[in-house]
Amino acid sequence: DVKVTQSSRYLVKRTGEKVFLECVQDMDHENMFWYRQDPGLGLRLIYFSYDVKMKEKGDIPEGYSVSREKKERFSLILESASTNQTSMYLCASSPGQGMGGELFFGEGSRLTVL
Amino acid sequence: DAKTTQPPSMDCAEGRAANLPCNHSTISGNEYVYWYRQIHSQGPQYIIHGLKNNETNEMASLIITEDRKSSTLILPHATLRDTAVYYCIVRVAELNSGYALNFGKGTSLLVTP
Repeated sequence: DVKVTQSSRYLVKRTGEKVFLECVQDMDHENMFWYRQDPGLGLRLIYFSYDVKMKEKGDIPEGYSVSREKKERFSLILESASTNQTSMYLCASSPGQGMGGELFFGEGSRLTVL
Repeated sequence: DAKTTQPPSMDCAEGRAANLPCNHSTISGNEYVYWYRQIHSQGPQYIIHGLKNNETNEMASLIITEDRKSSTLILPHATLRDTAVYYCIVRVAELNSGYALNFGKGTSLLVTP
């Protein structure tokens, strides 16, 4: 089975702290994604990557950056956390082009910024 | 991607079929219909997808109307564990690798004993 593992299920950080959310997939997928999920707003795409060292902005990239140094790992970085970044963060991966587009999600990381 | 419209919530009795509708009247000819679900406190889970023909797998059936403007996800014998938010998404599959799914608000399905 495909496994997408997010490093922390729950985090509490203070305003202004730098926050790293790590995601690892074990199926050699080309594509990886970071979403945030908020009540009433559904899932919104922050960033995605279709290859090592490649990244593309999603719908709400402001305040976030990403890193993909290795194919299996995709990190989301909050340079200076703010309270409006309190949210559930979901990482996903999918096979490359021509593979039907199914996404495999991790369990999520719930971040609270105080 | 074409927009989708789903009812915000539905109920279903355990053991009965759950039929979840989705309207996608602006769907293009090369857009697929995808269904995902999200059980509370978990990440979304892929269920099924289709282009024109009806599809069935071990989890569900997908019925797409002939004009492709709407579809129905059928859970043939709903169980309590099927209580979740169900998302209907249309998108062009087989695109450049960087193409991402856009999730809406979905339908919250409650299966009752």
